[in-house]
Amino acid sequence: DQQVKQNSPSLSVQEGRISILNCDYTNSMFDYFLWYKKYPAEGPTFLISISSIKDKNEDGRFTVFLNKSAKHLSLHIVPSQPGDSAVYFCAASDYQLIWGAGTKLIIKP
Amino acid sequence: NAGVMQNPRHLVRRRGQEARLRCSPVKGHSHVYWYRQLPEEGLKFMVYLQKENIIDESGMPKERFSAEFPKEGPSILRIQQVVRGDSAAYFCASSVDSSGQPQHFGDGTRLSIL
Repeated sequence: DQQVKQNSPSLSVQEGRISILNCDYTNSMFDYFLWYKKYPAEGPTFLISISSIKDKNEDGRFTVFLNKSAKHLSLHIVPSQPGDSAVYFCAASDYQLIWGAGTKLIIKP
Repeated sequence: NAGVMQNPRHLVRRRGQEARLRCSPVKGHSHVYWYRQLPEEGLKFMVYLQKENIIDESGMPKERFSAEFPKEGPSILRIQQVVRGDSAAYFCASSVDSSGQPQHFGDGTRLSIL
């Protein structure tokens, strides 16, 4: 059973526009959510996280929103840059990380 | 940059051989996690260790796989009598504690079974 789902395998966005990546989860006991970015042949790199007691966290161009009632979180990147092209993973923390399957973000020049 | 170091980066083994994957965590991190990634999939948790202790190995196959994190030295993921299905990327992560602190990842070991 997939406790963390990223339903869009890929997303294409024009440079300078907003990228919105979505993630759904099923377990209301998760207390921490994280977004990681991954380039080919490299390990995931931590981007931003949010505690379950908050509904928004912002860090520069990256903002994560958490909607607990809908069990949904999203990552907003604005403005999108070519270097943002990568696979983005949503993960929920239960001391181990439960991962979504990832969304490949392509930023078009 | 004293991040998580994994070696080797690439490992090729024939069916039936043993594979040993090493992971040195970030200095000061005492929590280590191993994940496996198959093509087109997310990472799947395998095992969580603290120094000299296995805390959770619920994601690790009960046969042929073992993990350790000794008092001195790197964490080792060991796969005995490898089979083709073991081909994957294996990632190690470390954290300061398990309270939701981000896990920091190494660049992985790509295991190929001939």
